[in-house]
Amino acid sequence: QKEVEQDPGPLSVPEGAIVSLNCTYSNSAFQYFMWYRQYSRKGPELLMYTYSSGNKEDGRFTAQVDKSSKYISLFIRDSQPSDSATYLCAMSGAGGFKTIFGAGTRLFVKA
Amino acid sequence: DADVTQTPRNRITKTGKRIMLECSQTKGHDRMYWYRQDPGLGLRLIYYSFDVKDINKGEISDGYSVSRQAQAKFSLSLESAIPNQTALYFCATSDPRGRGDTQYFGPGTRLTVL
Repeated sequence: QKEVEQDPGPLSVPEGAIVSLNCTYSNSAFQYFMWYRQYSRKGPELLMYTYSSGNKEDGRFTAQVDKSSKYISLFIRDSQPSDSATYLCAMSGAGGFKTIFGAGTRLFVKA
Repeated sequence: DADVTQTPRNRITKTGKRIMLECSQTKGHDRMYWYRQDPGLGLRLIYYSFDVKDINKGEISDGYSVSRQAQAKFSLSLESAIPNQTALYFCATSDPRGRGDTQYFGPGTRLTVL
């Protein structure tokens, strides 16, 4: 079993839809939870960062962490074609040692 | 200028050839990483270095070697390239004093081994 599971998609939605991306994990030592966005032919870039459980909002993006269920989510409101990319969840333990990445979910937002 | 740069950006080579991929960073971070990315498998860690004198194997180090020439430079070598090393390779840096080992990635090197 992988430490981090993420549905690779692809996920295709119309412009303006609410998008929900999810990851599950097995290691209860993870404390830092990140979402990276990767455009085609580019390196991943940090989109959202959360420490421990709870929600964090940044514009149209909301990250949720439920440590009791070992489940994290990224919500995108009013999705735009420019949101079309691969989204990778990532997590690390105390001291930020060794980040583990999910396989990434490919998202297409159609105009 | 980009904070993390990789050269070359694209490389086509033949089986058995020695290949070196180079990474430079201007972020001043001590930690540097090499990953490969394959469709459906995500990012897999090849090697990582927490400072110039510290080199560690990652999840898939067989067939690869690295050299940390300076804080800013970390190179990845394929001593004898084989076709299943065809992949997208990323260098990354991080600062342990920052947010949970947030990684900063270079633009990637697309390597094809024929």
